[in-house]
Amino acid sequence: EVQLVESGGGLVQPGGSLRLSCAASGFTFSSYGLHWVRQAPGKGLEYVSAISSNGVTTYYTNSVKGRFSISRDNSKNTMFLQMGSLRVEDTAVYYCARDFAAAAVTKFDYWGQGALVTVSS
Amino acid sequence: DIQMTQSPSSLSASVGDRVTITCRASQTISNYLNWYQQKPGKAPKLLIYAASSLQSGVPSRFSGSGSGTDFTLTINSLQPEDFATYYCQQTYNSPLTFGQGTRLEIK
Repeated sequence: EVQLVESGGGLVQPGGSLRLSCAASGFTFSSYGLHWVRQAPGKGLEYVSAISSNGVTTYYTNSVKGRFSISRDNSKNTMFLQMGSLRVEDTAVYYCARDFAAAAVTKFDYWGQGALVTVSS
Repeated sequence: DIQMTQSPSSLSASVGDRVTITCRASQTISNYLNWYQQKPGKAPKLLIYAASSLQSGVPSRFSGSGSGTDFTLTINSLQPEDFATYYCQQTYNSPLTFGQGTRLEIK
């Protein structure tokens, strides 16, 4: 069974840092790209960041560029999101999602349960 | 960035109804369009990919259509478990943007 489990969320002050983890099981981790998507309280889904299966290619949405860093450890089946210079507007549930990319189809076919990050003084 | 606009933002319907949700892209995206369902406190669930392909395990009352800039999600014979929020997502290029969501409520 495919599982993605986020951890590392919590309360942090503005300007602070936090590292989220996404632990995967039930599939060949090193064969799949992964994404982070966030959802502010009562709001819609916002695409945040992505990493290729080998970790070489990354992407960041403009609002987090220079502040967030995505990485992965394929030996530990885990992806990370290092978040720095956090702002109140970064408060959200952060989801990791698996990217089933094949034959020009990209779809987020499995999602974690989410990790809540609250940025507040 | 490609903007995705869903309509309506909210919708009331009854069990057994047929409903249609529309998603429009700010530029052509071919068929690079996915639909997700999200229930309160839960992660999104993939329903439709590549505009019209049904994800494995998703009931056949869900269907998608469209290409270019205009897409629709149709739910036939609404079931109680279908009341949720629905999002479209373009996967044509990064950032892989989502629509603002359509909340489907019980009438």
